[in-house]
Amino acid sequence: QSALTQPASVSGSPGQSITISCTGTSSDVGSYNLVSWYQQHPGKVPKLIIYEANKRPSGVSDRFSGSKSGNAASLTISGLQSEDEATYYCSSYAGGQTLVFGGGTQLTVL
Amino acid sequence: QVTLRESGPALLRPTQTLTLTCSVSGLSLNTPGMCVGWIRQAPGKALEWLALIDWDDDEFYSTSLRTRLTISRDTSKNQVVLTLANMDPVDTAIYYCARIPWEQPGGAAAWYSGYYFDYWGLGTLVTVSS
Repeated sequence: QSALTQPASVSGSPGQSITISCTGTSSDVGSYNLVSWYQQHPGKVPKLIIYEANKRPSGVSDRFSGSKSGNAASLTISGLQSEDEATYYCSSYAGGQTLVFGGGTQLTVL
Repeated sequence: QVTLRESGPALLRPTQTLTLTCSVSGLSLNTPGMCVGWIRQAPGKALEWLALIDWDDDEFYSTSLRTRLTISRDTSKNQVVLTLANMDPVDTAIYYCARIPWEQPGGAAAWYSGYYFDYWGLGTLVTVSS
C-alpha cells in the first residue's frame, strides 16, 4: 500500500473556493468509491468530513464537497473561512480489508 | 455515542514491544458491525493506518508492518489491544484508535462498510528513545 498523493499545501482567500486532489491507483481509489477525507487542526484529532467519496456526515458544513474520477479524488471547500485552515487527509479502501492515507495537505487561508 | 480512549506507555526503549489499549464505551465490541482500527501519526507527519479488527475477530494489517503488529480484543473489558514489536525511534508517534462502522443496507444479509473512521480517540503519544 503506497500512500495516496496529495499536494503539500494549498491556499486561498476568505470566500474563495479551493480544491485538494488525492491521487491513487487502480488498486485503491480507482477501484472503489470508498474515499474519505479528514480535517485535522494542529494538536487535534482528525475529524471525518467526507465519506464514500461525496457524502457528508451529519453536522459537517455543506461548504465541503467531494468527488472522484478515475484514480483521483478531490475535496472542494467553498466560501473559505479562517476556521478551515487545517491539514486535510484523504484515505481510500485498498482491497483486502486494508486502507491507505494520503500525505496530507496544509490549507492556508490568506 | 461511541467513545474510545487509548492508553499505554509514553516511553519505550528500542527493541521493546509496545502494547496499547483502546477502551471502548457506548457500544459492545461484539455488536455486529463494530470494527476498530489503529492509526498512527509521527510528529509533523501524515496519518498511517496500522490494523483493524472486527466483531467477528477478523484481523487485518498494514502490509508494511504486518510482521510486527498484532491486534486483538478483550471483549470482557470491551477493549482492543495493539502490540507492535521491536520498537524503533521511527515508531515515535501519536497512536489513535478509531471506529469503522459496518451496516446491512436495507436490511440485507450482506454487511457493507464505507471504510471510514467516524469516532476517534484522543490519541496517545509514544516516544521511542534510548
